[in-house]
Amino acid sequence: DIQMTQSPSSLSASVGDRVTITCRASQGISNYLAWFQQKPGKAPKSLIYAASSLQSGVPSKFSGSGSGTDFTLTISSLQPEDFATYYCQQYNSYPHTFGQGTRLEIK
Amino acid sequence: QLQLQESGPGLVKPSETLSLTCTVSGGSISSSSYYWGWIRQPPGKGLEWIGSIYYSGSTYYNPSLKSRVTISVDTSKNQFSLKLSSVTAADTAVYYCARITIFGGGHYGMDVWGQGTTVTVSS
Repeated sequence: DIQMTQSPSSLSASVGDRVTITCRASQGISNYLAWFQQKPGKAPKSLIYAASSLQSGVPSKFSGSGSGTDFTLTISSLQPEDFATYYCQQYNSYPHTFGQGTRLEIK
Repeated sequence: QLQLQESGPGLVKPSETLSLTCTVSGGSISSSSYYWGWIRQPPGKGLEWIGSIYYSGSTYYNPSLKSRVTISVDTSKNQFSLKLSSVTAADTAVYYCARITIFGGGHYGMDVWGQGTTVTVSS
């Protein structure tokens, strides 16, 4: 299985900040990577697929980049509704594994 | 607007079989543009991909669960289902169903999710 490792595991930031979350794959996955946002008690929400393509309806404050083994999710101008847990997922090969999550908290 | 709704028992006894159904409304499960998947999340933990199915019946399972899991589709009812046998406490989780849109170039997007259903394994 491909292991996905996110860093940091948790992150404190202030409203208005710009933050970056990193996801590393244990082997190359080209750009077969997705990002999700999950709020407490809710289902995950798809943000990005193909490492950098925004899902329909997702604001442009979210951006993704990377290829191979190293990927980033950047969120600009943080707003209160952005504080959540973020997961990456590879779909280069089965099983489609998730990272362990990054909890973004308000400072 | 497409919606997914999970249903099934919230409590399952150890060694028994967990059975869940996902009902798709507002769209057809038989579209060639989508897969349909199951994902779970143990309490306080991260997401685990269980498996997925195409409307034709082709399935893909997580090897860690493969000997115990079966995903099936009923196009006449616009539903797909999950069965997980020989459950233990480790299978206690919120179970989500999701639509997986097929984009070009082999890319997928798990873009519509059910609200999730909590399943507890306990005697």
